[in-house]
Amino acid sequence: DIQMTQSPSSLSASVGDRVTITCRASQSISSYLNWFQQKPGKAPKLLIYAAYSLQSGVPSRFSGSGSGTDFTLTISSLQPEDFATYYCHQTYSTPYTFGQGTKLEIK
Amino acid sequence: DVQLVESGGGLVQPGGSLRLSCAASGLIFRSYWMSWVRQAPGKGLEWVANIKQDGSEKYYVDSVKGRFTISRDNAKNSLYLQLNALRAEDTAVYYCVRDLAGVSGSTYYYYMDVWGKGTTVTVSS
Repeated sequence: DIQMTQSPSSLSASVGDRVTITCRASQSISSYLNWFQQKPGKAPKLLIYAAYSLQSGVPSRFSGSGSGTDFTLTISSLQPEDFATYYCHQTYSTPYTFGQGTKLEIK
Repeated sequence: DVQLVESGGGLVQPGGSLRLSCAASGLIFRSYWMSWVRQAPGKGLEWVANIKQDGSEKYYVDSVKGRFTISRDNAKNSLYLQLNALRAEDTAVYYCVRDLAGVSGSTYYYYMDVWGKGTTVTVSS
């Protein structure tokens, strides 16, 4: 199975900050990497697919990059509604695996 | 609007069974792979299983192989997950999810874009 490791596991930041979350795969997954945002009690929301493609309706302050084993999610200027948990997700091979999550909290 | 609505969750004793259902609307259901993803209380996301458009291919995470069965009825726009031999560690919110696969230019993609609100399964005596 492909292991997905996110860092950091938690992060405190302020409104307006630029934030970067990283995700590393245990083997190459090409660009089969997606990012989700999840708020408490809600289903995950797709932000980025295929490593860097912005899902329709998602604000442009979200961006993704990377290929192979190393990927990043960047939020260019944090907004109050961005405080949530973020997950990376590989769909290169089954079982499709998620990172452990990064909880983004208000400083 | 595309909607996925799960049902069938509940409280069940260890070793028991449940059948989860997912009713799909607003999409051509037979055109998509579909998945189940679960989330244990306070934990991260875990992909459980998926099924091809015509039901001819199914894949599972190792922890549920031989116990869970994914199926679909395209005539009813419905996805199912049969849960047998349930364990305490199966306690989770189970989400029904639409999979999208394809190619854009030279980039291949596979992602899960539409999620239901989930149904809760609790395994406890």
